[in-house]
Amino acid sequence: DVKVTQSSRYLVKRTGEKVFLECVQDMDHENMFWYRQDPGLGLRLIYFSYDVKMKEKGDIPEGYSVSREKKERFSLILESASTNQTSMYLCASSLPRTSGGPYEQYFGPGTRLTVT
Amino acid sequence: AQKVTQAQTEISVVEKEDVTLDCVYETRDTTYYLFWYKQPPSGELVFLIRRNSFDEQNEISGRYSWNFQKSTSSFNFTITASQVVDSAVYFCALRFHSGGSNYKLTFGKGTLLTVNP
Repeated sequence: DVKVTQSSRYLVKRTGEKVFLECVQDMDHENMFWYRQDPGLGLRLIYFSYDVKMKEKGDIPEGYSVSREKKERFSLILESASTNQTSMYLCASSLPRTSGGPYEQYFGPGTRLTVT
Repeated sequence: AQKVTQAQTEISVVEKEDVTLDCVYETRDTTYYLFWYKQPPSGELVFLIRRNSFDEQNEISGRYSWNFQKSTSSFNFTITASQVVDSAVYFCALRFHSGGSNYKLTFGKGTLLTVNP
């Protein structure tokens, strides 16, 4: 069974704080992703990584950065949290394109972040 | 444009009713994959099914069935004899080539299914 874990289910932070969201997967997947989910907007891709130390911007990278120092771990960083970053954050992992598939992404349980 | 449309925002049914969740997609790719995910109230997205663009066979898994039709760019999901535990948000997603060697998923906005006892 693929297992993707996220460091916190619920997090409350203050405006201006630096926030780290951690994601770990145990299936040796090359690809990892960070999404945010908001009512009425669905899931939107923030960043993704297809290898250690590699990263690509997704659709809404502004205000976020990421770190991938080890294959199993992908961190999302909010440099200076703002109230409009209050959201559900979902991490996912998948096999790479070169694997031939399957290509589905496996998701963690999510972190509900509130910035006050 | 790569796009997934789930026109039904919310559906409410009574237990044991059949229900179909619609998914329409747009893509420039000739090879692509479609997925359905379930998100129960606990929040974790659970993978349900994958379908590639070369395989138009419908699939049945227990009470779940999927109807893939390239001619109408649709990948609809039917739950037969719905149960309260089916209550969740269901997402349809499209894997497409986003440039270079990268592929991304784009999700529909989801359909909230409520099954009442």
